[in-house]
Amino acid sequence: EAQVTQNPRYLITVTGKKLTVTCSQNMNHEYMSWYRQDPGLGLRQIYYSMNVEVTDKGDVPEGYKVSRKEKRNFPLILESPSPNQTSLYFCASSPSTSSYNEQFFGPGTRLTVL
Amino acid sequence: DQQVKQNSPSLSVQEGRISILNCDYTNSMFDYFLWYKKYPAEGPTFLISISSIKDKNEDGRFTVFLNKSAKHLSLHIVPSQPGDSAVYFCAASAARTNAGKSTFGDGTTLTVKP
Repeated sequence: EAQVTQNPRYLITVTGKKLTVTCSQNMNHEYMSWYRQDPGLGLRQIYYSMNVEVTDKGDVPEGYKVSRKEKRNFPLILESPSPNQTSLYFCASSPSTSSYNEQFFGPGTRLTVL
Repeated sequence: DQQVKQNSPSLSVQEGRISILNCDYTNSMFDYFLWYKKYPAEGPTFLISISSIKDKNEDGRFTVFLNKSAKHLSLHIVPSQPGDSAVYFCAASAARTNAGKSTFGDGTTLTVKP
């Protein structure tokens, strides 16, 4: 089944404890992206990747890191999480590096930072 | 500066009637627009899109209208069904100038009553 998977789906952690949210797609998509969803703010793009080893900042990259060493994986790293990073996170992928394409989203990761 | 706005947080319609969801944008460089639907505990799924060279795109019960001069787009669902109850996000990109970046609105929660 073609899909985008994220792990973990739920995570409660404490301030300053490094964490990684994994994202993997099995559709051989070139483009991948991370978003966070917060009440009243919609979906905001954190980082995106047009291809392997190519990543760019979205609108809210502060406090996050990403890497794209393989086409299928695009992990989101929080080196020192803070409470304002409590949010619902979505990973997405798209078959083309052009924005003229729909994105396929993962099921989401709900992160709570205490 | 919110470049994509969905000014109605919620909308309630009767089954069989038309649902109209609205979206306004401020960035004149946006040239591609998409609508996504999101059910609780799931990631958004693509619904319909429109390029700035068109003013209308239809797919079954769903039609998107684009008014570039007003920087406004709308999603029409006819007839509305209870299964359409979800959060709808409008998204925009400046594909020609900034491929990879996507800007989403806050979302509108549609409730279709049987």
